[in-house]
Amino acid sequence: AQSVAQPEDQVNVAEGNPLTVKCTYSVSGNPYLFWYVQYPNRGLQFLLKYITGDNLVKGSYGFEAEFNKSQTSFHLKKPSALVSDSALYFCAVRDITTDSWGKLQFGAGTQVVVTP
Amino acid sequence: SQTIHQWPATLVQPVGSPLSLECTVEGTSNPNLYWYRQAAGRGLQLLFYSVGIGQISSEVPQNLSASRPQDRQFILSSKKLLLSDSGFYLCAWAPLPGTTGELFFGEGSRLTVL
Repeated sequence: AQSVAQPEDQVNVAEGNPLTVKCTYSVSGNPYLFWYVQYPNRGLQFLLKYITGDNLVKGSYGFEAEFNKSQTSFHLKKPSALVSDSALYFCAVRDITTDSWGKLQFGAGTQVVVTP
Repeated sequence: SQTIHQWPATLVQPVGSPLSLECTVEGTSNPNLYWYRQAAGRGLQLLFYSVGIGQISSEVPQNLSASRPQDRQFILSSKKLLLSDSGFYLCAWAPLPGTTGELFFGEGSRLTVL
């Protein structure tokens, strides 16, 4: 079975400061990992993914994430947060060893609030 | 380019009434299709997925059903809505084969059951 944990319900950060949103995962095989962002009453927008290769992946809007296999983590980071980054962020995992259908398991989400 | 459409965007229905939410994808062929539900603005739960016309897999037993009458059309239905069916329903697609990548989501349909 696959699962994702986002331990923080909400992250508060001042504009211009670094932003980190935490994610840990559990799979029985090998993971594909994803980050999405959701604005109020909107669908999910894809930010970035880790499939294989370099552990540091860069995505849209200046976001990046680091895959850490030993810690089973995939934290999302942005060096300098903007007020417009305030949104709900979801981490998702797919266990490619057991899943042939592209099903993603999502975390509960972390609300990011960036204050001016 | 590929696009995904969901409608209606908002729906208010009485308990016991039927439901039909529709999702269509343009610009691709033979996609994998998914219905997720988001309750209380937080976590997403996979309800159904489909790898082809008429092929539906259900992830959780519930009051809902899904159908795929055409390659790029995915419909979520209920014969009699329950209060607990309220939520934000998201359709998503992924390319075949392999679906090694991300899902692409529609804008969602917000259902309120009164």
